[in-house]
Amino acid sequence: QLQLQESGPGLVKPSETLSLTCTVSGGSISSSSYYWGWIRQPPGKGLEWIGSIYYSGSTYYNPSLKSRVTISVDTSKNQFSLKLSSVTAADTAVYYCARGDWDYCSGGSCYSRWFDPWGQGTLVTVSS
Amino acid sequence: SYELTQPPSVSVSPGQTARITCSGDALPKQYAYWYQQKPGQAPVLVIYKDSERPSGIPERFSGSSSGTTVTLTISGVQAEDEADYYCQSADSSGTYLWVFGGGTKLTVL
Repeated sequence: QLQLQESGPGLVKPSETLSLTCTVSGGSISSSSYYWGWIRQPPGKGLEWIGSIYYSGSTYYNPSLKSRVTISVDTSKNQFSLKLSSVTAADTAVYYCARGDWDYCSGGSCYSRWFDPWGQGTLVTVSS
Repeated sequence: SYELTQPPSVSVSPGQTARITCSGDALPKQYAYWYQQKPGQAPVLVIYKDSERPSGIPERFSGSSSGTTVTLTISGVQAEDEADYYCQSADSSGTYLWVFGGGTKLTVL
């Protein structure tokens, strides 16, 4: 059974870089054609996709965060990581990692993607 | 940007049927997915590809699609179904690979 676990500092100062790691167990991060993604949820608010990395190494970012986000993979540790630079209080949120799966759209004209399973999430607070 | 629109809240009595809608321009082309999130927990996938149910999800959860609207239906609602529900899909241009709706709070009266 695949499991994901987020780790990293729970407190980050404004203007600094938020760094989180997701450790994958129960399967290899590089063995199949999956995405590995990050999603966040500000307190009391909804879910926001941050970005994802494909098993081949290609990265895909939410255009609204693209200038500040870097996602990378360390296959030797079966981990993938998130870096979000120049953080402000608006970046305070629970950060989730998740495996992304995909299939063709009906009619085969595009790709359809979803997240399953998810890690338990980790709260990151941006404050001085 | 691309948006998926959900009602903020839905309320039903135990045993009744709850329907939660999600609207988006790309939904005729893109599949929709539904996640259940209980307080303090991570989201759990309950419907994928509009109407498929993952293993372990009760049969009372079902999904349907019609034009630009998809619907999550929970038949015979139980107290344990009280949660936030999020739809998820993608835009038609390939720019936003994952987009979430704003979420719907399901209250079991």
